[in-house]
Amino acid sequence: DVKVTQSSRYLVKRTGEKVFLECVQDMDHENMFWYRQDPGLGLRLIYFSYDVKMKEKGDIPEGYSVSREKKERFSLILESASTNQTSMYLCASSPRQIRYGYTFGSGTRLTVV
Amino acid sequence: DAKTTQPNSMESNEEEPVHLPCNHSTISGTDYIHWYRQLPSQGPEYVIHGLTSNVNNRMASLAIAEDRKSSTLILHRATLRDAAVYYCILRSTYNTDKLIFGTGTRLQVFP
Repeated sequence: DVKVTQSSRYLVKRTGEKVFLECVQDMDHENMFWYRQDPGLGLRLIYFSYDVKMKEKGDIPEGYSVSREKKERFSLILESASTNQTSMYLCASSPRQIRYGYTFGSGTRLTVV
Repeated sequence: DAKTTQPNSMESNEEEPVHLPCNHSTISGTDYIHWYRQLPSQGPEYVIHGLTSNVNNRMASLAIAEDRKSSTLILHRATLRDAAVYYCILRSTYNTDKLIFGTGTRLQVFP
């Protein structure tokens, strides 16, 4: 089964900490994405990447950065975690061809205290 | 990005067909219509997509209006496992290839 794996299911961090959320896909997909999901706001796109070392801002990039050094791995970085970044974070990947769908990971529920 | 409009919620009984509507009146010629669903405590899951013709797969059918301004996801026999939030999304490579999620339709299935 093809997979998108997120390193942690649950994470608790303190305000001001630097946080790394890791995502790995085993499908050789070119595109990778980070979303966050909050009640009443749905899924919002933070950053995405079309290729190694490439990144594009999504709709809510403030407070986040990303890294894509290898094709299979896309990391989301919270430089200085804040309580308003408490959320469910979802990683996804897709092939470049539009006729294929996205594959999502199971999510990381991050709590910043 | 072109927008979609879906009802907030729908209900169905088990074993009955379910028709989930989606309006996308500003769809452009390069936009594919994608459907995803999200089961409780899971990430979204791809269901089906189409461009102009109706599509069938093992999970569902997608009926696309002739003018492409609306579409309907059809679950032929709802099961309790189909209870989820269903998202209708337009995907285009005209500008940048990214999925923009709306609020979706929450489907409840009753035994």
